[in-house]
This record gives sequence, structure tokens and C-alpha cells, in this order.
Amino acid sequence: GENVEQHPSTLSVQEGDSAVIKCTYSDSASNYFPWYKQELGKGPQLIIDIRSNVGEKKDQRIAVTLNKTAKHFSLHITETQPEDSAVYFCAASKTASKLTFGTGTRLQVTL
Amino acid sequence: NAGVTQTPKFQVLKTGQSMTLQCAQDMNHEYMSWYRQDPGMGLRLIHYSVGAGITDQGEVPNGYNVSRSTTEDFPLRLLSAAPSQTSVYFCASSYGLAGDTQYFGPGTRLTVL
Repeated sequence: GENVEQHPSTLSVQEGDSAVIKCTYSDSASNYFPWYKQELGKGPQLIIDIRSNVGEKKDQRIAVTLNKTAKHFSLHITETQPEDSAVYFCAASKTASKLTFGTGTRLQVTL
Repeated sequence: NAGVTQTPKFQVLKTGQSMTLQCAQDMNHEYMSWYRQDPGMGLRLIHYSVGAGITDQGEVPNGYNVSRSTTEDFPLRLLSAAPSQTSVYFCASSYGLAGDTQYFGPGTRLTVL
């Protein structure tokens, strides 16, 4: 089955700096790669996703890149703000209902 | 439109007790799933359903049962709770096409003593 590794497990940045979280996956058939943000006491919420026919996708301060050959994808957050502090999960999937998640990155944005 | 709702929010059980975690969605989604979240392990798929009357096992199905009698509801049953089932449980739903967004509920925090 699919295996997703995520690094780092914790990340502390100063407000305004950029944050990068990286994930690798094992199943070359995976074709959908979402990123979720989870705030304390809440369920994960999709923030951006990318499909295997696209190399990069951007939405305001958030971007995701995908390297299918190397089987890795990354989340980039620019101009970080305190409200970006949360746990971020990457995931990989080749079907709609079976996401395999990474172990999460706790992002702390300090003032 | 309430999205995905889960009840209860918190539950404490004794070993051997049974209970049902409720999940409902009002978005007419075909796909529904149950995940458990444990510290340092991300979310792991327990069971999923691709439509009413159809269910299948995920990565960690042992100790859990599911059924899908309607499109809206997807309950998760623990027949004989064990301390290893202490976790936070999330229900999710999506339209069902590959790559569709999964919407997650707020979670149920379960403690088994």
C-alpha cells in the first residue's frame, strides 16, 4: 500500500518568513495530493491540492509543488502570519475515498 | 448546510463496552470514510463506503464495524472497546470522483479505560 513520509515534524518560523513542508510517497499510481490544515480541536480542512498532471499550483500565499519522478511534493507558505499556526498534513491518493496521510507538521509562527 | 456532523464530541468507555459513533452529511456525497488520529501517526483509514449498501475496509479495520443504509449516515460501531481504541475519530465525505475534496467532521474524542 501507499506510504507517505512528512518532514519536519515541527517547524518554527518568524512572522513574515516562509515555511516549507515536504512529503514523499511510495506508490507511483497515486495521482491526487491534498494538503490539510488542522487547528486545535477541529477536523482537518483542505487548503490546497494538486493532481499528478500539474507540477505546481498556487493560491495566494500558499503553493504546492509536485515532482512525480522523485515522488515528492511540498507545501510552501509565504509571508507567514500567526493564524497560520496549526498542524499541516499531506496526503496521497489514487481513489476518492482512500487518503493516506503523512504524520503531520506542527507549524508555529512567532511574532 | 451543516456539512459533516459527528456525535458525540467526547466519550469515555470501559473496556468491553460497546458504542456507536454517529456521522451524518447533508451534501449528498456518495463517499464516506472513517479515520482515527493518534499522536505522531497522522490519520489512518478505518472503513469507507462508496455508496449506500457498500462498505469496505481501510488500513486499520479490526475492532470496528460499519454499515451504510442511507446516503446521509455512516455510523461506526465498536463492539467491545479496548484501550488501544483510545483515539480521536474523524468522519469524512466527498462526492466520490477521484481527487474530490474530502470534508471532515469535527471529530469524536474517545477514551477507553
